[in-house]
Amino acid sequence: DIVLTQSPGTLSLSQGERATLSCRASQNVNSSYLAWYQQRPGQAPRLLIYAASSRAAGIPDRFSGSGSGTDFTLIISRLEPEDFAFYYCQRYGTSLLFGGGTKVEIK
Amino acid sequence: QLQLVQSESEVKKPGSSVKVSCKASGGTFSTYVISWVRQAPAQGLEWMGGIIPIFDRADYAQKFQGRLTLTTDQSTDTVYMELRSLTSEDTAVYYCARGGGGVNWHYRQFYFYHMDVWGNGTTVTVSS
Repeated sequence: DIVLTQSPGTLSLSQGERATLSCRASQNVNSSYLAWYQQRPGQAPRLLIYAASSRAAGIPDRFSGSGSGTDFTLIISRLEPEDFAFYYCQRYGTSLLFGGGTKVEIK
Repeated sequence: QLQLVQSESEVKKPGSSVKVSCKASGGTFSTYVISWVRQAPAQGLEWMGGIIPIFDRADYAQKFQGRLTLTTDQSTDTVYMELRSLTSEDTAVYYCARGGGGVNWHYRQFYFYHMDVWGNGTTVTVSS
């Protein structure tokens, strides 16, 4: 079975810094069926990126996604206070699978 | 714009069942996949299964086969998630979410896309 491994587990950064989050799949992800979600404490997840690099409606352009095959990256170019949260990657297709998540915390 | 409103929190005994509802309002519902995702305390997200209301057909993650049933009531735009034989490990927040997808009828196989609208979550606590 495919496994999605997110790294690092925790990213400690300051407001204004750049965040780079990784999602690695144990098998090839077909046609870039890879999404990223943000989850703030006490809230439901929110779709950020789909098809590896397409921003969802209303998502600021400081969020960008890239990658293909087995290696995918989410970049937040300049962290805003509301960006300190958990981030999950997700493979979709014949089933749905989430990575274990990365916590972006204030340094 | 579509909103998904879920039923209130539940406390259940081990061995019992829980049924959580997810009611849609303000947008397209029946032609999409409504998935259920749960999150145990301080844990990540876990997909449980999905249903397409217009077809009233569901697909389940292997882990929940035989213990999970998803149903729909198109007259009220509501999807239900019933989980049976509860244990303490089922204590979690349960979310419904709308996503793209469908059924490849030739192969009789579901396919799922990303999820763009999420419900507000329902906390289920299993405790004796």
